Amino acid sequence: QKEVEQNSGPLSVPEGAIASLNCTYSDRGSQSFFWYRQYSGKSPELIMSIYSNGDKEDGRFTAQLNKASQYVSLLIRDSQPSDSATYLCAVNGPGGNNRLAFGKGNQVVVIP
Amino acid sequence: GAGVSQSPSNKVTEKGKDVELRCDPISGHTALYWYRQRLGQGLEFLIYFQGNSAPDKSGLPSDRFSAERTGESVSTLTIQRTQQEDSAVYLCASSVAGETGAPSYEQYFGPGTRLTVT
Repeated sequence: QKEVEQNSGPLSVPEGAIASLNCTYSDRGSQSFFWYRQYSGKSPELIMSIYSNGDKEDGRFTAQLNKASQYVSLLIRDSQPSDSATYLCAVNGPGGNNRLAFGKGNQVVVIP
Repeated sequence: GAGVSQSPSNKVTEKGKDVELRCDPISGHTALYWYRQRLGQGLEFLIYFQGNSAPDKSGLPSDRFSAERTGESVSTLTIQRTQQEDSAVYLCASSVAGETGAPSYEQYFGPGTRLTVT
């Protein structure tokens, strides 16, 4: 089982709709969870971090964490064409080495 | 303030040559990470520095890869005898260091170095 898994295939959403992305992870001891946005040809940009079960909202983004089920999700409300990018889920494991394991990413295409 | 910087932004080299990639982290960030991203793939962890020491080198793919960090700032990733499979974007990130066993702090990435081995 891969450390971090994200749904494959691009997600197309109309402008103004909600984009929903999911991520599962294998290490039950993980404590830190991040979502990065990566535009084509650019480096990852941190958009959300979450450490506790529940929801965390920041502007149009909401991250949701459920440690019992080992999943973390990202909702993008009122999607804009500028949200078109690949979204990477990243999780760190226990042990204090702080390295992140990344999923392969979900491509989001917002259609005007 | 200034973000993570990396140089060069692009590097084309011939198979068998050595290359050095440089990373300058955010000022005050004692933790530094190197990742690799092959075309169309996810990020692979290579090595982690806490200060000038590297407690986790588990991601280095072979002994051709090495890295060092001096003065708790700049880090250099060296690839010896480059191979075509080394072609990738090499990304550096930095963060405030966390305590052992505690949740990790956020990592911020530089723009990357695109390495092409011909």
